[in-house]
Amino acid sequence: DSGVTQTPKHLITATGQRVTLRCSPRSGDLSVYWYQQSLDQGLQFLIQYYNGEERAKGNILERFSAQQFPDLHSELNLSSLELGDSALYFCASSARQGLEVYGYTFGSGTRLTVV
Amino acid sequence: QQQVKQSPQSLIVQKGGISIINCAYENTAFDYFPWYQQFPGKGPALLIAIRPDVSEKKEGRFTISFNKSAKQFSLHIMDSQPGDSATYFCAASFGAAGNKLTFGGGTRVLVKP
Repeated sequence: DSGVTQTPKHLITATGQRVTLRCSPRSGDLSVYWYQQSLDQGLQFLIQYYNGEERAKGNILERFSAQQFPDLHSELNLSSLELGDSALYFCASSARQGLEVYGYTFGSGTRLTVV
Repeated sequence: QQQVKQSPQSLIVQKGGISIINCAYENTAFDYFPWYQQFPGKGPALLIAIRPDVSEKKEGRFTISFNKSAKQFSLHIMDSQPGDSATYFCAASFGAAGNKLTFGGGTRVLVKP
């Protein structure tokens, strides 16, 4: 167990629907990152939050949004889903920005299948 | 351009052999280069990392070699074991571990007994 908890583990939904993926970071970690892993695109950075504030944005579609709550858990919302959104979505956390020692800790991911 | 190119895409090695995975980056501002190991159904796990002021770092059977002038770094897995069969990703970031990672495309390693 990495200490980063992602739910649900699997999600199957239809095109056009909306889903919410949840991530609880490792205890004490203030930064949360979301990554998408697909066969053809590899691991792509989506968005980062630090202590409730958005810190960096990557290749995140406008149909996707995220937030980090006061208890530091984060949610990734995916709407108007398309077949191409099928992928593994990973959450990772790290202790503090700028510190090298701990690196990232990834959760086990949510496998999203859009049918 | 924030790209990290990784090769080979896949690798088969005999038990006890050496696995070598190479990565090249373009942005000289990168200052943190981790390697991650991923097993099927699991998230990537940090294996070993290096900063550009060090040319080599060794942890157990895993060694990173770093060539700053060539903008290349590599992972060597010595005495490869079947349990090392996994996908390996190199990555790079600015400002050590606190910032987003740019990943290479991954290398699937299969260690044959």
